[in-house]
Amino acid sequence: AQSVTQLGSHVSVSEGALVLLRCNYSSSVPPYLFWYVQYPNQGLQLLLKYTSAATLVKGINGFEAEFKKSETSFHLTKPSAHMSDAAEYFCAVSEAAAGNKLTFGGGTRVLVKP
Amino acid sequence: SQTIHQWPATLVQPVGSPLSLECTVEGTSNPNLYWYRQAAGRGLQLLFYSVGIGQISSEVPQNLSASRPQDRQFILSSKKLLLSDSGFYLCAWRLSGTGLFFGPGTRLTVL
Repeated sequence: AQSVTQLGSHVSVSEGALVLLRCNYSSSVPPYLFWYVQYPNQGLQLLLKYTSAATLVKGINGFEAEFKKSETSFHLTKPSAHMSDAAEYFCAVSEAAAGNKLTFGGGTRVLVKP
Repeated sequence: SQTIHQWPATLVQPVGSPLSLECTVEGTSNPNLYWYRQAAGRGLQLLFYSVGIGQISSEVPQNLSASRPQDRQFILSSKKLLLSDSGFYLCAWRLSGTGLFFGPGTRLTVL
């Protein structure tokens, strides 16, 4: 069975500082991994995805994530936080053989301080 | 390009009343379709998914049901709402090899 753990339900960063959101997964087969962002009262928007190509994945809005198989991690980073990055972020895992179902982590809410 | 619609955007219903939420997808054929729910403090919970017309898989036993009467239409229903059905309901679609693409969601409040 697949599962996702996001460390920290809330993260506070200063504008211009590094954003680091942690995600660890478990999967019995090589996984597909995703990061989504959700702004208040909106649906989720895909930030980036890992599908067994390059281990460093670049996404929209300056975010990137690195797949580390040995650590079963897929942490999300952005070098310099912007006020518009304040949102909730979800990591998700999908096993190709699991009927295309995604399992989501509990989410991390990011607060950006001026 | 593909788009996904959900309605209504918000809904307030009394306990015991019926529910029907609709989701439609444009610009794609034979997508996998999903209903997720976000409840306070509980993250995203997969409720149902469908790989084709009339094919529904239920992930969590509950007070809800789903139907897919057409290729690009997915409906979430209940005969009698409970207080615990309150939440933000998200429809999503997916083609093989891609991530999920979400609709704008429906905020349901059961009083």
